[in-house]
Amino acid sequence: NAGVTQTPKFQVLKTGQSMTLQCAQDMNHEYMSWYRQDPGMGLRLIHYSVGAGITDQGEVPNGYNVSRSTTEDFPLRLLSAAPSQTSVYFCASSYRTNQPQHFGDGTRLSIL
Amino acid sequence: GQQVMQIPQYQHVQEGEDFTTYCNSSTTLSNIQWYKQRPGGHPVFLIQLVKSGEVKKQKRLTFQFGEAKKNSSLHITATQTTDVGTYFCAGSNAGNMLTFGGGTRLMVKP
Repeated sequence: NAGVTQTPKFQVLKTGQSMTLQCAQDMNHEYMSWYRQDPGMGLRLIHYSVGAGITDQGEVPNGYNVSRSTTEDFPLRLLSAAPSQTSVYFCASSYRTNQPQHFGDGTRLSIL
Repeated sequence: GQQVMQIPQYQHVQEGEDFTTYCNSSTTLSNIQWYKQRPGGHPVFLIQLVKSGEVKKQKRLTFQFGEAKKNSSLHITATQTTDVGTYFCAGSNAGNMLTFGGGTRLMVKP
């Protein structure tokens, strides 16, 4: 089992560009989520999904979109990248909302 | 909304010394989880506590959940260089999403 797979691992964008961060899990988990991690800020929830076809906003959703067309995949889209979105992004999954989270390796994103 | 505060933010210890990080919630929690993130890595689940006053041990690590289910602690006895990393607590109300604390970064001098 691969667990939670995130791609790409690193990315550099210019301000205004758009891109999609990919996340896939093979554990048949219903709950998936995206976090961003900035120095001294811990993990902040961007968006989450409790099952296919259902998504909701977390603590810091502005500038990001998500969709959940299948149980396995939960992509995160940056609509128009801004320098403030420079961060490390983690995707996580679990059986249910408040159960132990399995994290991917992260995507390190720099926006110039 | 629910807030989870964690202290201290940083801790330097000499190898062999003990270490404790504390987690406090603004609301009563249904469970609390602890994660460890090695430098450059991703958070890895360590343990979950559910019952009031619960104490669990993993080798040199001792986890406690407060009687009121609003606070928790992680204590490491006789730290080793392999303990280096950031320790996060995460708490949730029943059925709600997890809220992570800001983490405590542990640095161990050999």
